[in-house]
Amino acid sequence: NAGVTQTPKFQVLKTGQSMTLQCAQDMNHNSMYWYRQDPGMGLRLIYYSASEGTTDKGEVPNGYNVSRLNKREFSLRLESAAPSQTSVYFCASSEVATSEHTQYFGPGTRLTVL
Amino acid sequence: GENVEQHPSTLSVQEGDSAVIKCTYSDSASNYFPWYKQELGKGPQLIIDIRSNVGEKKDQRIAVTLNKTAKHFSLHITETQPEDSAVYFCAAHRNTGKLIFGQGTTLQVKP
Repeated sequence: NAGVTQTPKFQVLKTGQSMTLQCAQDMNHNSMYWYRQDPGMGLRLIYYSASEGTTDKGEVPNGYNVSRLNKREFSLRLESAAPSQTSVYFCASSEVATSEHTQYFGPGTRLTVL
Repeated sequence: GENVEQHPSTLSVQEGDSAVIKCTYSDSASNYFPWYKQELGKGPQLIIDIRSNVGEKKDQRIAVTLNKTAKHFSLHITETQPEDSAVYFCAAHRNTGKLIFGQGTTLQVKP
């Protein structure tokens, strides 16, 4: 039981390049989330998927797109990377998207945009 | 929207002392308040949480208190150990699927 896994662990991009961050969970959770973590700003929600087939914007969705591929997988895409998107990205999942359920986090992807 | 303020940003204590981290939230509809610990190079892990119908919760050396009237909640760690050194985040949730995090506190426990 691996929990939440993320690939890649590290990535360096040039401005304007695109990439997709992958996330998968094996806990049969319905809800999945993408956060970014920047120094002094905590974690900020980019997008979330309350259930398979639905996605919603979080606090900082601009410049990102997401796909809930199936119940297990939730990907985050940067179409044209910018230096402001240099950050550590975390995926999380929970049984459902209500307050009674804990969010479990993956190990993160450290992204640098030059 | 919801805003969560966390203080202090850094905290250094001697091993065996207590550590207290405080958070305030703005949305009175928030009803769930988890605390996460993040070790270097890892994702955040839940260490304790409290719901709005409870004033205090303890788990061994860790306790959380909630004051709904004042809209603040605190994490208390007693008998600190070097392995408690990490970044701690508070968060608030109002049943919409969105956790709003504080800015984080870097706790250093000196042996």
